[in-house]
Parts: sequence; structure tokens; C-alpha cells
Amino acid sequence: DTGVSQDPRHKITKRGQNVTFRCDPISEHNRLYWYRQTLGQGPEFLTYFQNEAQLEKSRLLSDRFSAERPKGSFSTLEIQRTEQGDSAMYLCASSLADQTAWALHFGNGTRLTVT
Amino acid sequence: AQKVTQAQTEISVVEKEDVTLDCVYETRDTTYYLFWYKQPPSGELVFLIRRNSFDEQNEISGRYSWNFQKSTSSFNFTITASQVVDSAVYFCALFTLIQGAQKLVFGQGTRLTINP
Repeated sequence: DTGVSQDPRHKITKRGQNVTFRCDPISEHNRLYWYRQTLGQGPEFLTYFQNEAQLEKSRLLSDRFSAERPKGSFSTLEIQRTEQGDSAMYLCASSLADQTAWALHFGNGTRLTVT
Repeated sequence: AQKVTQAQTEISVVEKEDVTLDCVYETRDTTYYLFWYKQPPSGELVFLIRRNSFDEQNEISGRYSWNFQKSTSSFNFTITASQVVDSAVYFCALFTLIQGAQKLVFGQGTRLTINP
């Protein structure tokens, strides 16, 4: 068990550029979540997958954001035409869809800075 | 809607003092889970504890203890004999089992500073 892995750790981009983040969950976990955390705030839910199915998307996830989990393993989060307001820490978490678990394990996050 | 409120934005105490972090939650679900996470300066979220809504027994783990009171919708966290290494932001979170909305909802966090 190597934990949840996110890549890159840091990303600096210019406004208007597209960025893509990757998350590799704990291998046996079938649930994968994306959260966003801005300075001084708690993490805010963006979306989650069970296997390859995207089950819920937050209203925070504008049409510039898209997330995929094509084979039910790793996931990508893409932001198109980045804006300065997108600057935040993007956190990925995974868990089992299991009533004995329901504990999300978080990765170290990708910190995005839009200049 | 699900909501978690951590009214204390920042707490600062001297080492060895006891400190309690408050958490109040709202949900209409009868089955739910409550969590505490620690976020040290390095940024990762570290899982501390999970309680389900049917288990109101208080729990102690070393210097950490949790008080779950369903009657007041509170799940408070106490650190006894605090240490400098306890300095971090602490988040309380709620997980409900509503179909299609099974996610963690976090509070705003409490920044705890333990001074030597």
C-alpha cells in the first residue's frame, strides 16, 4: 500500500492555459474523490467516481473542469482556460465503497498557481 | 443539506495545556459518520478518527479523546497535555449515506498553535 499519489505536486500556469492533474488511488479502492482547498478553508467537494462511473459533480465544477477515470484506476482532472480564481490545492482521495470503511485516504495534493 | 461548523478559527495555547476543538454538524440522515482529520504544515490530510451515528461511546487514544453527543449534534476533540507537534489545522467532517451524495463535507477548520 503506497497511499494515494498525486502528480504534479506543484503547477504554475498562466491564465488561459489548460492544466491536467493525475491521481493514483490506493489499488484496491473503488471510490475516488476530487476536492479543492483554498487558503484558510476546508476542502470542498468537486466530484467522485465509483469504479469508472462519475456519480456526482458539485456545482463548483464549472464546464471548464472535467474529470475522468477511464479504467476505474487512476483519474485525471483537467481545467481548461484557467483563471486566477482556480488557484488552490487540488486533493484526491480514495476509499472502499464499504460500510466498514467510508474513510477517505487523501493524497498530498497538487498546488495550482494561476498567474 | 449537510453542514459542519467549527466555530473556533484559531486557538493558541501553551504546551502541556489541554485544548478542546468544537464541531457541530447538521444532517437529516439517521445514519452518518463523523471524522476528524489533521493537516500539518506539510499539507497532507491525516485521518484521526471515524465514528458512526449509532455509537455514542466516547473514545480515547493516547492524548486524544473525542466526545460525541447526538443530542447536541456535536463531536468535540480534546488534546490532553498538548505538544508543539500537535500544531496543525484540524478538520471535522461528516459523511452521509444519501444515495448519489456519499461524500465528506468538511468544516472550515481550526488552526491550533501550541507554543513552547
